[in-house]
Amino acid sequence: GDSVTQMEGPVTLSEEAFLTINCTYTATGYPSLFWYVQYPGEGLQLLLKATKADDKGSNKGFEATYRKETTSFHLEKGSVQVSDSAVYFCALSDRGGSEKLVFGKGTKLTVNP
Amino acid sequence: GAGVSQSPSNKVTEKGKDVELRCDPISGHTALYWYRQRLGQGLEFLIYFQGNSAPDKSGLPSDRFSAERTGESVSTLTIQRTQQEDSAVYLCASSTTGGETQYFGPGTRLLVL
Repeated sequence: GDSVTQMEGPVTLSEEAFLTINCTYTATGYPSLFWYVQYPGEGLQLLLKATKADDKGSNKGFEATYRKETTSFHLEKGSVQVSDSAVYFCALSDRGGSEKLVFGKGTKLTVNP
Repeated sequence: GAGVSQSPSNKVTEKGKDVELRCDPISGHTALYWYRQRLGQGLEFLIYFQGNSAPDKSGLPSDRFSAERTGESVSTLTIQRTQQEDSAVYLCASSTTGGETQYFGPGTRLLVL
């Protein structure tokens, strides 16, 4: 079945550092791809998404490009802030019917001042 | 407008007891999903409701788990004869018909002693 693999955490960076969180997927067909974020003490929020190959999703300085040839959707940010500390989940949407989300295990990011 | 709400926010129960978790989706959202998030894991799909169609129950881990939805509103997830491995955060999400952006509630944290 469909699956998502994302880099193991935790990741610790200093403020203004460059961030990459790797995400690869296995799916039949052409899923939509998502990054969700869970800030401390808060619920899961959509960060960005891409619905077809070569699309780039972006939000709050974060970007991810849907790469069909490498089945990847890596999350990047050029300069992280302390407020970006959170758990980040990569996910794909099963377009076969229910459109349920299949999630990676999450990557915890801590940004130090 | 109001987001997805869930109750209770926390539930502690004894092994073998039944529990009922509630989800109120965003008004007008016809699709409703339940997911489970175990400690240190990604979210696992449990069940999906879409309007009056038969629910997709393919993610329910055992026959101790069941869910109902009244029309296009409230849903309840029931776990009978709870086991310690049922301890997790149970998340509900809703989306518009055919939409792909799922909006998540804050979750119910269940602890089975």
